[in-house]
Amino acid sequence: DAKTTQPTSMDCAEGRAANLPCNHSTISGNEYVYWYRQIHSQGPQYIIHGLKNNETNEMASLIITEDRKSSTLILPHATLRDTAVYYCIVLFPGGGADGLTFGKGTHLIIQP
Amino acid sequence: GAVVSQHPSRVICKSGTSVKIECRSLDFQATTMFWYRQFPKKSLMLMATSNEGSKATYEQGVEKDKFLINHASLTLSTLTVTSAHPEDSSFYICSARAEISGYTFGSGTRLTVV
Repeated sequence: DAKTTQPTSMDCAEGRAANLPCNHSTISGNEYVYWYRQIHSQGPQYIIHGLKNNETNEMASLIITEDRKSSTLILPHATLRDTAVYYCIVLFPGGGADGLTFGKGTHLIIQP
Repeated sequence: GAVVSQHPSRVICKSGTSVKIECRSLDFQATTMFWYRQFPKKSLMLMATSNEGSKATYEQGVEKDKFLINHASLTLSTLTVTSAHPEDSSFYICSARAEISGYTFGSGTRLTVV
C-alpha cells in the first residue's frame, strides 16, 4: 500500500501556481515526505522532500501541515513542461534497502 | 547530483529472444539498485532489488528465471528479460540510492517484443 492519497488529476493554467495536495495521515515520526514527478516516457525525477518544516528549492516549495498528516507541493509558476504525473511518497531515508512504493500519483496538466 | 544511466532507451526484439538492460551509477557507488516495470497509464511497480555481490530479491509474482538480475559491481546492475514474449513489452526503469541525494532513477527502457 502506498500510504498516501492524491487526486487523480489536476489542471492548472500556464504561469499560475500549481498546488498539489497529498494526504499521508498514517505517517510515522521518522518518515519524510518525498515528491517525484514523471514526465511521459521518462524515469521519475526527484523534486523535493521534507520532514516537518516547509522546504523550498529551485523547482518547488513543500508545505507540510503541523500534524504532518498532509502536505502540498507548490510549483510557483507552472510551465507546459511541468505537465507530468506527480508522486507523493513517505519513507524513512535512513533505510535504503527497500525500493519505493508508488501510488497512482496526480496527473498535472498545464493548460496554455 | 547523483546520476543513473540506463541503456538502451528503446529496444525491439523478436519473441523468444533475450534482452539485456544496463543500469549504471555514474558518480556514486550503489550496493543496492532497484528495477521497476511500468505498463501504459499505470504506476511504477517494483520488480526486484539488486544487491551487489549477492542474489537479487524479487517481489511477489515476479519470475526470477524470466527476469535475471546481475549486480557484479558497485556501479552496474543488469536486467535480462529471457525468452521474451509480447506480454513482456513494457517500460523498465532502474533506480539507485545515493547517500545524499536519495533515490535516483534511470531514464527507462521501452521494450517491445514482436
